[in-house]
Amino acid sequence: GAVVSQHPSWVICKSGTSVKIECRSLDFQATTMFWYRQFPKQSLMLMATSNEGSKATYEQGVEKDKFLINHASLTLSTLTVTSAHPEDSSFYICSATSGGSSYEQYFGPGTRLTVT
Amino acid sequence: TQLLEQSPQFLSIQEGENLTVYCNSSSVFSSLQWYRQEPGEGPVLLVTVVTGGEVKKLKRLTFQFGDARKDSSLHITAAQPGDTGLYLCAGVIVAAGNKLTFGGGTRVLVKP
Repeated sequence: GAVVSQHPSWVICKSGTSVKIECRSLDFQATTMFWYRQFPKQSLMLMATSNEGSKATYEQGVEKDKFLINHASLTLSTLTVTSAHPEDSSFYICSATSGGSSYEQYFGPGTRLTVT
Repeated sequence: TQLLEQSPQFLSIQEGENLTVYCNSSSVFSSLQWYRQEPGEGPVLLVTVVTGGEVKKLKRLTFQFGDARKDSSLHITAAQPGDTGLYLCAGVIVAAGNKLTFGGGTRVLVKP
């Protein structure tokens, strides 16, 4: 149980275009989903917290107009990188939690974005 | 400055040796989790500890949560090449909206 999928697993896009990444909880309902960014050989950096049916809460320094997050259902959240630039190239990982006392998060396999 | 400090940042050992990774903070966590991540993949949850002083074992891995719930350690006995990966500790502060705060990670390389 507790499987989270991401699509696509990797994507290459041209500078100036937008890219959408999907995060799905396959076997549980995710009350909250999180989006992280990870640079090579570094730890995960939280970008935003997304609750179903409400606006995402962005971490300091993360541009909400550039990284659009939609959490339309209890099993799906999307991250859209708008007007992508080469510096947006990174590994994007989502996680999902169903709540509970230990607040365990289950991570997707990640999406490698390369902007040329 | 990271809220959770992991040490060491990198560890290279021979197969069969033991290793310990530390995770320290000045903050109190309601729970702390350990993950292992392999290149190009998402982190995989290894264990969650919630009680101060708690010790959990997962085969050759032993996890300990400090009495004050500010620190944790991961000990691997008789490491194998399959243990190679990035080990991440992450703590939950309830007052911060249940967000996970990650340590900087420890890259472990077990050579055959």
